Amino acid sequence: EVQLVESGGDLVRPGGSLRLSCAASGFTFTTSWMHWVRQVPGKGLVWVARINADGSSTSYADSAKGRFTISIDNAKNTVHLQMNSLRAEDTAVYYCSRGGSGYFFDYWGQGTLVTVSS
Amino acid sequence: ENVLTQSPGTLSLSPGERATLSCRASQSFSSSYLAWYQQKPGQAPRLLIYAASSRATGIPDRFSGGGSGTDFTLTISRLEPEDFAVYYCQKYGSSPEWTFGQGTKVEFK
Repeated sequence: EVQLVESGGDLVRPGGSLRLSCAASGFTFTTSWMHWVRQVPGKGLVWVARINADGSSTSYADSAKGRFTISIDNAKNTVHLQMNSLRAEDTAVYYCSRGGSGYFFDYWGQGTLVTVSS
Repeated sequence: ENVLTQSPGTLSLSPGERATLSCRASQSFSSSYLAWYQQKPGQAPRLLIYAASSRATGIPDRFSGGGSGTDFTLTISRLEPEDFAVYYCQKYGSSPEWTFGQGTKVEFK
């Protein structure tokens, strides 16, 4: 059974940093793209970042470029999202998801809430 | 930027009725790149349809997808009580990027 478990969400002040983690199990981690998608409570889904299986290729939404870094630890089957220079508008539930065939998201974690507020 | 617009914003229906949800893109793209998700309150999204018309594992056959080019549709043939939720379409773009529509809420009439 595929499982994705996010952690690391917290209350952080504007300008601060946070590192989210996603522990994966139940599938061959080294052959999958992994993504972070966020959702402001009550609003829609927004893709944030993606990394390929060996970590050699990453992509970011414009809102994340230069502030967020996605990384992968294949030894621990874990994906991270390092978020720096956080803003109030980064407040959201952050979901980890597995890329299915590169074009869609076939499995999702339960999400972790990030709140940026003073 | 290829924007996805979903309509209607809210669909008020009764169990047993047919639901037809629309997803329209500002530019044409391959149907291989179009997916649909269901999200219930407090839950993560769930993949329903990929490549415009292929059902994901475990998805009942009352869910079907279709369309091509700029116009795509998700149809729920007969609504079950558990189908009342928010539905999102999503496309892949070559930048690469992944874009979602704003969602359609299917609510009890």
